[in-house]
Amino acid sequence: GAVVSQHPSRVICKSGTSVKIECRSLDFQATTMFWYRQFPKQSLMLMATSNEGSKATYEQGVEKDKFLINHASLTLSTLTVTSAHPEDSSFYICSARDGGFPIQVSPLHFGNGTRLTVT
Amino acid sequence: GEDVEQSLFLSVREGDSSVINCTYTDSSSTYLYWYKQEPGAGLQLLTYIFSNMDMKQDQRLTVLLNKKDKHLSLRIADTQTGDSAIYFCAESPGNTGKLIFGQGTTLQVKP
Repeated sequence: GAVVSQHPSRVICKSGTSVKIECRSLDFQATTMFWYRQFPKQSLMLMATSNEGSKATYEQGVEKDKFLINHASLTLSTLTVTSAHPEDSSFYICSARDGGFPIQVSPLHFGNGTRLTVT
Repeated sequence: GEDVEQSLFLSVREGDSSVINCTYTDSSSTYLYWYKQEPGAGLQLLTYIFSNMDMKQDQRLTVLLNKKDKHLSLRIADTQTGDSAIYFCAESPGNTGKLIFGQGTTLQVKP
């Protein structure tokens, strides 16, 4: 089946530094990728939608200058958490939609997530 | 608005059936989804149902959809310890491709 690779799986960084998370579709072209954030024992919160070659669309309340999203190719999207703070510590998950199917019949494929800890 | 609600916890004995319920609000979702999340991992698509169907069966999984009441359920037959995980239902408002998830139901399977 379709595979989405997310890297790194875990990262610890110091407050004030930036962290980049990569999301790759390995065997399909992902015209759209989604970035989610999951708090402990809670559901996934959609942060932003990125389409290849265009600017990401952020959900209400998500700071676009803090969470930089780049979707430069059909197989790669990156999320950069800039000037990280302890409250940014969370589980971040990307998902990708296979561009080879109509949107209505194309389930999302998820990466395994990145556990970010900001000290 | 967009909202998906689930019960938070379900405990069953191995071999029993599990039923996880979900209610949603958006009637424009063409598909409704069930995902499984094991500890520390991402989400795995289990199954999905087209909104003009009322039932879909896939091996041990049965999805029931009551579109009038906006109620979705997932039944797992002969539940195994390996089924222990968090199960999320999700709707896709306006068929944009983005998903709105419920809070997740933690399924605990006792041997």
